[in-house]
Amino acid sequence: QVTLRESGPALVKPTQTLTLTCTFSGFSLSTSGMCVSWIRQPPGKALEWLARIDWDDDKYYSTSLKTRLTISKDTSKNQVVLTMTNMDPVDTATYYCARMGYSGYDDFDYWGQGTLVTVSS
Amino acid sequence: SYELTQPPSVSVSPGQTARISCSADALPKQYAYWYQQKPGQAPVLVIYKDGGRPSGIPERFSGSSSGTTVTLTISGVQAEDEADYYCQSADSSGTYVFGTGTKVTVL
Repeated sequence: QVTLRESGPALVKPTQTLTLTCTFSGFSLSTSGMCVSWIRQPPGKALEWLARIDWDDDKYYSTSLKTRLTISKDTSKNQVVLTMTNMDPVDTATYYCARMGYSGYDDFDYWGQGTLVTVSS
Repeated sequence: SYELTQPPSVSVSPGQTARISCSADALPKQYAYWYQQKPGQAPVLVIYKDGGRPSGIPERFSGSSSGTTVTLTISGVQAEDEADYYCQSADSSGTYVFGTGTKVTVL
């Protein structure tokens, strides 16, 4: 059974750095082809892809946010960590992690339940 | 990257057919994927690789592609299909884009 769960602070202040952890089970990020992505969704708005990390440690970032994002993994702990610097109120959103790669295509087949992050002073 | 444009809303009576379009503003076109999102829940994959249906997704959900437009069709809509739907694709640089989203209302 594949599960993913996001964790991190519910509230951060402007200019602070956000650190989110995705803890997963039911698959391994050391398996060839496996990937984990982060996606966010501001309240009432559309989904936005942020970053992806692959089984071989290749990393990809949203063009518009790449200067603020860092993604990493700890395969032994089955965790993926996303950091986002210089947080702003417009970054208020539900942040999801999702699995990719099982099908060999670009779909997100399993998602965590999401964690709401509010940016406010 | 490019943009994927969807109609903001689609309304349909129970038992009728809902069609949701997703248009890319530029090439190259990659495969498209569709997600259903109900209020307060995470998205669920309902169509992969333009028209594939994951295990557990009802047969009334289907997908098609023509040029730079893909379409999600829900045949025989049921009340439980009321949700937001998002298309998604990839570009050649390993990044991903989601559509603007469509709210499906079952009348």
